[in-house]
Amino acid sequence: GAVVSQHPSWVICKSGTSVKIECRSLDFQATTMFWYRQFPKQSLMLMATSNEGSKATYEQGVEKDKFLINHASLTLSTLTVTSAHPEDSSFYICSARVGPQEQFFGPGTRLTVL
Amino acid sequence: SQQGEEDPQALSIQEGENATMNCSYKTSINNLQWYRQNSGRGLVHLILIRSNEREKHSGRLRVTLDTSKKSSSLLITASRAADTASYFCAPVNQAGTALIFGKGTTLSVSS
Repeated sequence: GAVVSQHPSWVICKSGTSVKIECRSLDFQATTMFWYRQFPKQSLMLMATSNEGSKATYEQGVEKDKFLINHASLTLSTLTVTSAHPEDSSFYICSARVGPQEQFFGPGTRLTVL
Repeated sequence: SQQGEEDPQALSIQEGENATMNCSYKTSINNLQWYRQNSGRGLVHLILIRSNEREKHSGRLRVTLDTSKKSSSLLITASRAADTASYFCAPVNQAGTALIFGKGTTLSVSS
């Protein structure tokens, strides 16, 4: 299947700083990517839908000013957690849509905010 | 919503036994996908079954789909300790919008 990468795979930062997470489709173009968040022992929760060249669509309850999404090219979407706090510590996973019905997921980024 | 709900939430078996987990959903679908997630890792796509298919095999995996009951099952035969993971189903509608996951089934296979 198609390959999606994420960088970094894990990051530790101080409270109040911003962290950028990259999601790349390596061997295909993805006009649509999705960002999920997963807390320990919980399921993945959809945060936002990222569309190349347009603004992201955020799910209810997700602060768009805190979680900045940029999908500037057909192979890259970035999620920036601004002014991170310990409660933002989580596992962030992106996926890229291939065609209308298939998605491929990245390996995830573990964020720990001290 | 097109969220899938997995059942049971947790399943513990011995190596060599079969593991069956179920998924129910509420909307019409184009296809349904099953994923595996090892602890602290990303999702791994296991199998996709389309709405016009009733059964699909992939190695030790067998997936069934009953669109009249809006349910699917994943059978892992001759389980191994390496199968220990969480398993999620994701129903996909015609529009192909974002996958919404349930809480998953946590499978523990002991040797």
